[in-house]
Amino acid sequence: DVKVTQSSRYLVKRTGEKVFLECVQDMDHENMFWYRQDPGLGLRLIYFSYDVKMKEKGDIPEGYSVSREKKERFSLILESASTNPTSMYLCASSLAGGAYEQYFGPGTRLTVT
Amino acid sequence: KQEVTQIPAALSVPEGENLVLNCSFTDSAIYNLQWFRQDPGKGLTSLLLIQSSQREQTSGRLNASLDKSSGRSTLYIAASQPGDSATYLCAPKLTGGGNKLTFGTGTQLKVEL
Repeated sequence: DVKVTQSSRYLVKRTGEKVFLECVQDMDHENMFWYRQDPGLGLRLIYFSYDVKMKEKGDIPEGYSVSREKKERFSLILESASTNPTSMYLCASSLAGGAYEQYFGPGTRLTVT
Repeated sequence: KQEVTQIPAALSVPEGENLVLNCSFTDSAIYNLQWFRQDPGKGLTSLLLIQSSQREQTSGRLNASLDKSSGRSTLYIAASQPGDSATYLCAPKLTGGGNKLTFGTGTQLKVEL
């Protein structure tokens, strides 16, 4: 079974703090994704990566950066200036190519006070 | 830009009923479409992946159909059970979309005893 894990289930940070979220998958998937989920807006893609050290912007990249130094690990960094960061953050992975399904992690509920 | 609509937004049914969840999308140039289930506060669980060349895909009590030309997919759940209570999300993947999924806001299902 594919397993996607995320570093924290719940995280509370203060405004101005940098936030670091990590995602790890154990199925040698080439593609990895970061989404955020907000009520009424659904899931929106922040960034994705199709290979080590490769990244592409999704629909809402502003205020975020990502890092993929190893194939199994994809990190999301919320810069201190990002607006409305309180949200549910979901990581996913899939094999390369369009034909394959995406598998999701359990999510991180981030609250910024 | 792909727009995805799911109807109804919420549904409450008695146990044992057969039900249909609807998903419509505006751009029919899709690679495939994935159906997910999400329990409150949790990540997404992949239920079915239906390729653009397929008309139907089945897994246990679940059956998904796809009519690409009309931009519609349905998820049929047979003999519903209280454990089916969750939010169901559909996500088509555009060809040339860089493996990106576009999500609807989901149908929240409650199956009552």
